[in-house]
Amino acid sequence: EAGVAQSPRYKIIEKRQSVAFWCNPISGHATLYWYQQILGQGPKLLIQFQNNGVVDDSQLPKDRFSAERLKGVDSTLKIQPAKLEDSAVYLCASSERRGGAYQPQHFGDGTRLSIL
Amino acid sequence: AQKVTQAQTEISVVEKEDVTLDCVYETRDTTYYLFWYKQPPSGELVFLIRRNSFDEQNEISGRYSWNFQKSTSSFNFTITASQVVDSAVYFCALSDPIFNTNAGKSTFGDGTTLTVKP
Repeated sequence: EAGVAQSPRYKIIEKRQSVAFWCNPISGHATLYWYQQILGQGPKLLIQFQNNGVVDDSQLPKDRFSAERLKGVDSTLKIQPAKLEDSAVYLCASSERRGGAYQPQHFGDGTRLSIL
Repeated sequence: AQKVTQAQTEISVVEKEDVTLDCVYETRDTTYYLFWYKQPPSGELVFLIRRNSFDEQNEISGRYSWNFQKSTSSFNFTITASQVVDSAVYFCALSDPIFNTNAGKSTFGDGTTLTVKP
């Protein structure tokens, strides 16, 4: 099966600019996650979708970050305006729901964002 | 609140040595899931194992084994006869079931960087 697709792989922008990331999950996976991974740290969940509805966005800085999954398939994450502390790898993951649990997450290669 | 602690930031071993990566978790839930993921230098996180809180039976998969002890809230990972290809960052993660208020949210530890030298 095809894995989780993310683009771009790398992005360099100046602070206060805007940037968008795209993710296409594994076919049939209803749950989609966006994580921020700062160098030397574990992934931090930004937002979790179930189909096109938001399950959890408690750690999403909503003043500058937004995400959508309009048709319940692919998703975009946007940062506007970017700050220096947003430099990180942004990971997208997807999983199935089966029984009472989300199945293991499948991760994309991530987008490495550098803010100058 | 959920929390996962991986106290070992970095571990370095010589090939063929055994190595254990520690993971300690905190949760108020009685039902939960524990995971281990591997992140090689290429960057993509790869799922290794999932354990639910009702199954404390240890598991072995080839050179990998996992020791789940609910009494100490630990889920440790051992690599036997380590190889250079095992060099990676390893993450432990904790997840709630869907029917809990956290709705399946996963919390990751900060990872342990394992370097296996030839």
